[in-house]
Amino acid sequence: DQQVKQNSPSLSVQEGRISILNCDYTNSMFDYFLWYKKYPAEGPTFLISISSIKDKNEDGRFTVFLNKSAKHLSLHIVPSQPGDSAVYFCAASGTGGSQGNLIFGKGTKLSVKP
Amino acid sequence: GAVVSQHPSWVICKSGTSVKIECRSLDFQATTMFWYRQFPKQSLMLMATSNEGSKATYEQGVEKDKFLINHASLTLSTLTVTSAHPEDSSFYICSARQDRNQPQHFGDGTRLSIL
Repeated sequence: DQQVKQNSPSLSVQEGRISILNCDYTNSMFDYFLWYKKYPAEGPTFLISISSIKDKNEDGRFTVFLNKSAKHLSLHIVPSQPGDSAVYFCAASGTGGSQGNLIFGKGTKLSVKP
Repeated sequence: GAVVSQHPSWVICKSGTSVKIECRSLDFQATTMFWYRQFPKQSLMLMATSNEGSKATYEQGVEKDKFLINHASLTLSTLTVTSAHPEDSSFYICSARQDRNQPQHFGDGTRLSIL
């Protein structure tokens, strides 16, 4: 049973436009959410995170939105650049017995076309 | 900052061989390190969590005697795949975290191929 779901395996966006990557989760105990970016043959690189006490966190071109009632978060990249082309993973972590371990989605491959 | 180095990046070896993978945090002290495994077109699956100086906590279904984890210092954790078989062929990746309030930072992974 997948606790973190990224339902779109791929997304194609024109350079300069906004990229919106979505992620849904099922476990209401999750309280910390992260986005990672991964290039082929490299490990995931941390991008941005958000705590459940917030609904928005912004860092440059990257903004993460959290809707706790819908158990949904999204990553907005604006403006999108060709170098943003990569696989983006959503991850969630919870308190209690989880020890802060991350549960990952399957990833969304973003292609930004020049 | 927050660089994690994983070595080797690619290993090919014969069935029955034991393989050791190292994970180092280069510019921070990692109280916790994590080991993941990724199958093609699947998400990263946590295998085990290790805290410096204590025994690793393994996820359900992961054989402790098969995947030996040592976290002897705040900057180094090792994963040893003992008596590896072709079904152990996979992509193994480690991450390190300074403390619970910090994100995990990942190494570049190790592609393990058992012939």
